[in-house]
Amino acid sequence: DTEVTQTPKHLVMGMTNKKSLKCEQHMGHRAMYWYKQKAKKPPELMFVYSYEKLSINESVPSRFSPECPNSSLLNLHLHALQPEDSALYLCASSQVTGEQFFGPGTRLTVL
Amino acid sequence: GENVEQHPSTLSVQEGDSAVIKCTYSDSASNYFPWYKQELGKRPQLIIDIRSNVGEKKDQRIAVTLNKTAKHFSLHITETQPEDSAVYFCAASPNTGNQFYFGTGTSLTVIP
Repeated sequence: DTEVTQTPKHLVMGMTNKKSLKCEQHMGHRAMYWYKQKAKKPPELMFVYSYEKLSINESVPSRFSPECPNSSLLNLHLHALQPEDSALYLCASSQVTGEQFFGPGTRLTVL
Repeated sequence: GENVEQHPSTLSVQEGDSAVIKCTYSDSASNYFPWYKQELGKRPQLIIDIRSNVGEKKDQRIAVTLNKTAKHFSLHITETQPEDSAVYFCAASPNTGNQFYFGTGTSLTVIP
């Protein structure tokens, strides 16, 4: 399996909801990433997990909470989001360094 | 931290012509430079990459050149086709970790 998968594909949530995004890879990669991408902009790094430990948090607001239950899974828990958080959320994975493989993304809309 | 600049932001070429996209970076510790293509509504996909110990790399119609002294690298697409139309992102990554610093993107349109 050479793909990164993400669920759900689309998510609409209210500002008081709690939801989670899921990401999975079975390429044996030990680094996993969450990015946020607005239209016509580059991916913006949010979090990096390396060997299942959080190694980079790009000053992301606490309403975004990442979790890495094991080397194949990465979650992003969402709570009390704002409309400006609406974006495409991309997961990626890689060996410790080198090419990052991106998932198809979750299109999030916050009402 | 690293700062990657990318030009042009938009580029239109006639089918069959060449397209060149340029990026500059600021951190001499960067040693890995990937190029990603992102079609509308789809995920970024790696099209070519280069490491700092190599000056040029080619894969069919796509080539990347790197000038470490000047801290710039370029993507060259020859014999462009309509399916090359997409947004292209360059990135730089330091040798100390796995953090990518992306350029601002180039929207390429190939006119049939």
